[in-house]
Amino acid sequence: GENVEQHPSTLSVQEGDSAVIKCTYSDSASNYFPWYKQELGKRPQLIIDIRSNVGEKKDQRIAVTLNKTAKHFSLHITETQPEDSAVYFCAASNSGAGNTGKLIFGQGTTLQVKP
Amino acid sequence: DGGITQSPKYLFRKEGQNVTLSCEQNLNHDAMYWYRQDPGQGLRLIYYSQIVNDFQKGDIAEGYSVSREKKESFPLTVTSAQKNPTAFYLCATGAYQPQHFGDGTRLSIL
Repeated sequence: GENVEQHPSTLSVQEGDSAVIKCTYSDSASNYFPWYKQELGKRPQLIIDIRSNVGEKKDQRIAVTLNKTAKHFSLHITETQPEDSAVYFCAASNSGAGNTGKLIFGQGTTLQVKP
Repeated sequence: DGGITQSPKYLFRKEGQNVTLSCEQNLNHDAMYWYRQDPGQGLRLIYYSQIVNDFQKGDIAEGYSVSREKKESFPLTVTSAQKNPTAFYLCATGAYQPQHFGDGTRLSIL
């Protein structure tokens, strides 16, 4: 069935360093790839997303890259800050008219940014 | 998000009891989703609905039921058949994908 694998499960970096989280998906029909940040006890919040017609998208210190051929997508956080510490989830879906739009989530990455 | 309201925030279930989690939205989104999150794990889809009076099972629907009588509301019932209901339940809405989540309901067994 549809599956999203996320690595690493935990990541510890020094403040100011970069962090990279990688995901692979199995369904070649997937065309929408969001990333969520979840702080302890709170709801996931969308931080960036990318569609399959784009290879890269940036928003300040956050960027996402997509390799459709390899079915890989990655989250890049530069100049990390302690407030970036959280659990990050990738997801994939086949969205658009006529599709369910349901998201398949990765298992999550716990990012710790040390001051 | 302010447009999605889940209640209650905390809920306790007794043995053999059915409990209902509420999800209301004012975003005018057609699609609504229920996810379950276990500690240290990702989100798994329970049920979803793309239109009023219609809904489909997700990956872990057993022991759960839903209804969609109004566009704004998508309540989830955790039945006594769900033997391990302790989890964080999240409702989401989205036009074509669930971009917006409610604050969640934490369900525990008494």
